[in-house]
Amino acid sequence: QVQLVESGGGVVQPGTSLRLSCVASGFTFHSYALYWVRQAPGKGLEWVAVISYDGGIKYYADSVEGRFTISRDNSKNTLYLQMNSLRPDDTAMYYCARDQRDYSYGYPLPYWGQGTLVTVSS
Amino acid sequence: ERVMTQSPVTLSVSPGERATLSCRASQSVGTNLAWYQQKPGQTPRLLIYSASTRATGIPDRFSGRGSGTEFTLTISSLQSEDFAVYYCQQYNNWPLTFGGGTKVEIK
Repeated sequence: QVQLVESGGGVVQPGTSLRLSCVASGFTFHSYALYWVRQAPGKGLEWVAVISYDGGIKYYADSVEGRFTISRDNSKNTLYLQMNSLRPDDTAMYYCARDQRDYSYGYPLPYWGQGTLVTVSS
Repeated sequence: ERVMTQSPVTLSVSPGERATLSCRASQSVGTNLAWYQQKPGQTPRLLIYSASTRATGIPDRFSGRGSGTEFTLTISSLQSEDFAVYYCQQYNNWPLTFGGGTKVEIK
C-alpha cells in the first residue's frame, strides 16, 4: 500500500533553516508528482509546493516562494523541502502528498503522510 | 488566485440527518473541485474529486455536485464517524487553494 513518511521537523529559531524529508513506498515513485501541504495549528490546509514526476516542474505558494525549495531523489524514493529564512508564520504540520494521476500534476491528492511538525519560535 | 469560501463554518447535525456543505469559488474552476475529510489528529482523506466522483472506498452517502463557482457536498445520513472538518480544494489553477473548512459537529 502507498506510504508516505515525513521527517525532519522540529523547533527552530526565526531566520534559520530546516530540511524536511518524505520517504515513499508502495508505488512507482518516479511516476508521480508530489506535494507539500501545511496546516498551522487549529487552522486550515495550505498548499506549499509541487514537483513533477521528473523534477522538471516546480511551483510554489507565494508565501514561500524564494525561501523554500522542493526537490526529489527518485533513486531514494524521497521528497525534500528545504526551508530557509523561517518565520513564525511557517509554524505548521507539514504533509507530503501524492498526485492522483501518474505522469501528470495538478490533480487531487488521495495519499497523504502523517506529517511532521515545524515550530518556528524564539 | 481562486479564493475558496466554505459555508457554514460550523454545522450542527443529529446522527441520521442530512448535512449539506457549500463551497464557492471566486472564479470558475470548472469541475476541478475536490472534497476532503479531516478528523482530529488525522490526515486529510480524499472524498470527492471532479466535483461529483467518489474516491475509492468512499460510502455512497457522500455525494458532490456543482460546477463553475458553486459546489455542494451532501452527507445523506450522518454516521458517528462522519463528524469531522470538511475542506474543498480547487485544482483548476495554480496556486492550488483550499477553503477554510466546515466543521460538522454533533447536535
